[in-house]
Amino acid sequence: GAGVSQSPSNKVTEKGKDVELRCDPISGHTALYWYRQSLGQGLEFLIYFQGNSAPDKSGLPSDRFSAERTGGSVSTLTIQRTQQEDSAVYLCASSLGASPATDTQYFGPGTRLTVL
Amino acid sequence: AQSVTQLGSHVSVSEGALVLLRCNYSSSVPPYLFWYVQYPNQGLQLLLKYTTGATLVKGINGFEAEFKKSETSFHLTKPSAHMSDAAEYFCAVTRSNDYKLSFGAGTTVTVRA
Repeated sequence: GAGVSQSPSNKVTEKGKDVELRCDPISGHTALYWYRQSLGQGLEFLIYFQGNSAPDKSGLPSDRFSAERTGGSVSTLTIQRTQQEDSAVYLCASSLGASPATDTQYFGPGTRLTVL
Repeated sequence: AQSVTQLGSHVSVSEGALVLLRCNYSSSVPPYLFWYVQYPNQGLQLLLKYTTGATLVKGINGFEAEFKKSETSFHLTKPSAHMSDAAEYFCAVTRSNDYKLSFGAGTTVTVRA
């Protein structure tokens, strides 16, 4: 079946602009995660959605970052007033449930964001 | 809090040689441990995981890892490297009541013909 898809695959933007990154999880997966992969910080957790519960936003680096998940499926990560340090690969993952013992996180190919 | 240290950011092996990637973790509670592989321009793919039970875990593509509590380690091995094993490998940790993965910095593997 189809895996996690993300769009766009690459995004180049100018400093100060807003960007939206999209994630389509695997159908039927209730849990969705955003991670950021950057040279200086490695792979770091950003935000987690599980069903209709309030999201865990504890990994968002600043209030310029926000995310939503509509209808329990597609998610959008929005970065406002982008800065050069936001340049990174943004990875989305989904899992059937939220138990790490049984619910594997499946990752999308990522969106490479470059802020000029 | 959990954390992971991967020793060696780059590993170069000859085709047919042993692949050994080192991972040490710190966790105040029993950990769940994972190895993921990332091929160029692709997302992360789960190789194997340890949750409970048998400490030697076998994964895909001939990889295996052994959980050693006394050494707080979860090293990844493959007896004979193949050119297709060239990729970046990430060790990750979480705990039973958490869903967030904490990743190591990654180890890039190159395979020499």
